[in-house]
Amino acid sequence: EAGVAQSPRYKIIEKRQSVAFWCNPISGHATLYWYQQILGQGPKLLIQFQNNGVVDDSQLPKDRFSAERLKGVDSTLKIQPAKLEDSAVYLCASSLGAPGLAVSSTDTQYFGPGTRLTVL
Amino acid sequence: AQSVSQHNHHVILSEAASLELGCNYSYGGTVNLFWYVQYPGQHLQLLLKYFSGDPLVKGIKGFEAEFIKSKFSFNLRKPSVQWSDTAEYFCAVNRYSGAGSYQLTFGKGTKLSVIP
Repeated sequence: EAGVAQSPRYKIIEKRQSVAFWCNPISGHATLYWYQQILGQGPKLLIQFQNNGVVDDSQLPKDRFSAERLKGVDSTLKIQPAKLEDSAVYLCASSLGAPGLAVSSTDTQYFGPGTRLTVL
Repeated sequence: AQSVSQHNHHVILSEAASLELGCNYSYGGTVNLFWYVQYPGQHLQLLLKYFSGDPLVKGIKGFEAEFIKSKFSFNLRKPSVQWSDTAEYFCAVNRYSGAGSYQLTFGKGTKLSVIP
């Protein structure tokens, strides 16, 4: 079974530039998550989708971050414009989800390799 | 603030030593608990999880964890570590965050270095 795919693996940009990350979840997984992991910290949830709908984006800095999952499969996370403090690893995860429910409490999340972003 | 605390930032052990990594959380109500591991150069992967039932759960590679509800703790243990256990370990709590949604909150992680 193929895992969660992410690209690019590394990205270096200057502050005020824009950047986009792509994620393809495990086939059949309804729920998709984006996390931000700053050096020395654990992953922090930015947004989660159930199919193509947003379930929780309470921790997404919406003035500069946006995410979409238009067809309910792959997803894109964008930062525009980037700041120095956005330097981090951006992780995508997916889980099976529960039919008819937003997210199951017992869902196991499977993580991709991440994209390491450096903002200069 | 509600949080997940991992007490040790970096643990260094010799092979065959016993391991215990602490994890405490501050959420009330029902929670589901996880330990994830990230080996060098690899992605985060599930080590074990607790949802209900026996508070002592066993995971992959000989790891186990004990849920103590009264102490809000979910400590990870292994009787005898190997060099291949060198990795970063994250405790995580899945809790209801409202609007039919559950949110996974991670601790800061504990880096384990095992010396051959």
